Amino acid sequence: AQKITQTQPGMFVQEKEAVTLDCTYDTSDPSYGLFWYKQPSSGEMIFLIYQGSYDQQNATEGRYSLNFQKARKSANLVISASQLGDSAMYFCAMREGPAGGTSYGKLTFGQGTILTVHP
Amino acid sequence: GAVVSQHPSRVICKSGTSVKIECRSLDFQATTMFWYRQFPKQSLMLMATSNEGSKATYEQGVEKDKFLINHASLTLSTLTVTSAHPEDSSFYICSVVNELAKNIQYFGAGTRLSVL
Repeated sequence: AQKITQTQPGMFVQEKEAVTLDCTYDTSDPSYGLFWYKQPSSGEMIFLIYQGSYDQQNATEGRYSLNFQKARKSANLVISASQLGDSAMYFCAMREGPAGGTSYGKLTFGQGTILTVHP
Repeated sequence: GAVVSQHPSRVICKSGTSVKIECRSLDFQATTMFWYRQFPKQSLMLMATSNEGSKATYEQGVEKDKFLINHASLTLSTLTVTSAHPEDSSFYICSVVNELAKNIQYFGAGTRLSVL
């Protein structure tokens, strides 16, 4: 079974509008972390935002916020006031297990969503 | 500024040659680094976990003799693609774990390998 599912292969948004990129995850570990990365055409992976499974509040970083719904196992990324430079591939990823475990740190990635921002 | 430095960014080599890719952690010491491979328009696939001072841990299906990993210091890990063949052509990207900041992984800029 897929551990990270991104159901939107591509999304389009108008400049200055908000957009939500979907991510659902599957784990039986009570301790896990969820990440979003942006990959422009240059290929680099840019860290955007992190949400820990025990964090009480949704994470926010500037124009990025993570809509964390634990019971639904979803961790959607919300980008507010989209900019042309936001056009890129976006990956959701999960890290499972408690710190110090043998597999700790390994990330499992979703298939990604290509976001295109129109002027 | 960049947290991780990865070199070279692009390499073209002849079949049968070996290629070394370096990954440096610039801002913090990294006992753990990861190496990923990415095919066009696909997701990242973990190849191996690089542990400072010990042998790398390879994912199932990854040939350890083909992809040699050395993590000789707390800031440097190298991936050597030995006797490269055209099927090894891919985008290779490393990441370092910041153990002082929620174990967030920061990635290098990647290396695009083309084997002729």
